[in-house]
Amino acid sequence: ETGVTQTPRHLVMGMTNKKSLKCEQHLGHNAMYWYKQSAKKPLELMFVYNFKEQTENNSVPSRFSPECPNSSHLFLHLHTLQPEDSALYLCASSPETYSPLHFGNGTRLTVT
Amino acid sequence: DAKTTQPTSMDCAEGRAANLPCNHSTISGNEYVYWYRQIHSQGPQYIIHGLKNNETNEMASLIITEDRKSSTLILPHATLRDTAVYYCIVSDGYNTDKLIFGTGTRLQVFP
Repeated sequence: ETGVTQTPRHLVMGMTNKKSLKCEQHLGHNAMYWYKQSAKKPLELMFVYNFKEQTENNSVPSRFSPECPNSSHLFLHLHTLQPEDSALYLCASSPETYSPLHFGNGTRLTVT
Repeated sequence: DAKTTQPTSMDCAEGRAANLPCNHSTISGNEYVYWYRQIHSQGPQYIIHGLKNNETNEMASLIITEDRKSSTLILPHATLRDTAVYYCIVSDGYNTDKLIFGTGTRLQVFP
């Protein structure tokens, strides 16, 4: 149990579908992150939220839309994805700057 | 941002110490060294971090050279469950959100 819970663990979706990934942290942290991990590639930072405000958008295509309604919850809304978007999507949180990241176990996304 | 260089893979016998090196020759004075590991099918797990001094916790020890251009993560008694990809990252303490993960070292612990 990492304190960061991601649902669903696995998701298969067609290119015309709309789906959402959910992340919830039970650690009282103020910052939350979305990372993408494609096969045989390093983790890529996608979005950063600090106190519910987006502070980083790492040139992510608009078909990925994050939402952070409060410091404990983070969503990634997906629409009209491409097969190359298939990857492990990881959520992380941290108490504040200077602090290490705590990751969830990810959502394995397959786009067909 | 400072970059890190790690060996692609390493082996270690169970019960022996695993010493994982990392080069970060362009590290700046306010950048910390962080270590994470990722066990198959899980998210990365924080292990330890340091600035200048050596650090130890229940998981590992971190040895940073005096010039701070390299560091070594030491798992004192490796177990099969320590088989994972280990990432060495440098980041300034003001922008933890800019942690950039490279390809890491794949550590295989064998019986």
